[in-house]
Amino acid sequence: NAGVTQTPKFQVLKTGQSMTLQCAQDMNHEYMSWYRQDPGMGLRLIHYSVGAGITDQGEVPNGYNVSRSTTEDFPLRLLSAAPSQTSVYFCASSYSRQGPYEQYFGPGTRLTVT
Amino acid sequence: AQTVTQSQPEMSVQEAETVTLSCTYDTSESDYYLFWYKQPPSRQMILVIRQEAYKQQNATENRFSVNFQKAAKSFSLKISDSQLGDAAMYFCAYRSTRGNNNDMRFGAGTRLTVKP
Repeated sequence: NAGVTQTPKFQVLKTGQSMTLQCAQDMNHEYMSWYRQDPGMGLRLIHYSVGAGITDQGEVPNGYNVSRSTTEDFPLRLLSAAPSQTSVYFCASSYSRQGPYEQYFGPGTRLTVT
Repeated sequence: AQTVTQSQPEMSVQEAETVTLSCTYDTSESDYYLFWYKQPPSRQMILVIRQEAYKQQNATENRFSVNFQKAAKSFSLKISDSQLGDAAMYFCAYRSTRGNNNDMRFGAGTRLTVKP
């Protein structure tokens, strides 16, 4: 199993550009999520999905879109990049949103918006 | 909403010594799950240990153990016989079991340095 994969690992964007961060998992997990990690703030939830075709907003959803057309893939779209979106982004998956199940994390994408 | 607080931004420990990382959380619920994750310089998030709130026994995983004080809403991580490879950011996380708010909430993290 590859686990959770993310691409790209690094990205530099100019303000106003759009892009998609890719995330895939091969564990047949129902629950997938996107976090951003900023210094001193831990991980904050952007969007999540409890299954194909079902997505919802997390704590900091503004400026981001998601879709989940398959169980495996959960891309994150930045609509019009802003310097405030400079961060490290993690995709994670879990057997279920509920219960003691751990979340498995991808390796992260470091995004810089200039 | 539940909040998770890690009051120690940085900690250091001598190799082979023991260190305790603190975590407190705020909740009105009686059943929930707590986790400690490790993030080494590679950025990969790795689960260290988990605790179910309804279990009174403290979880242990080899050199890692927790001190779970439910009434005090405290969940500290003890690392025994510290090794150089333990150097990392450590995040405490909380997950509710009720309603729609089952997402993990993370603390701000504690950076652990291990001195040889």
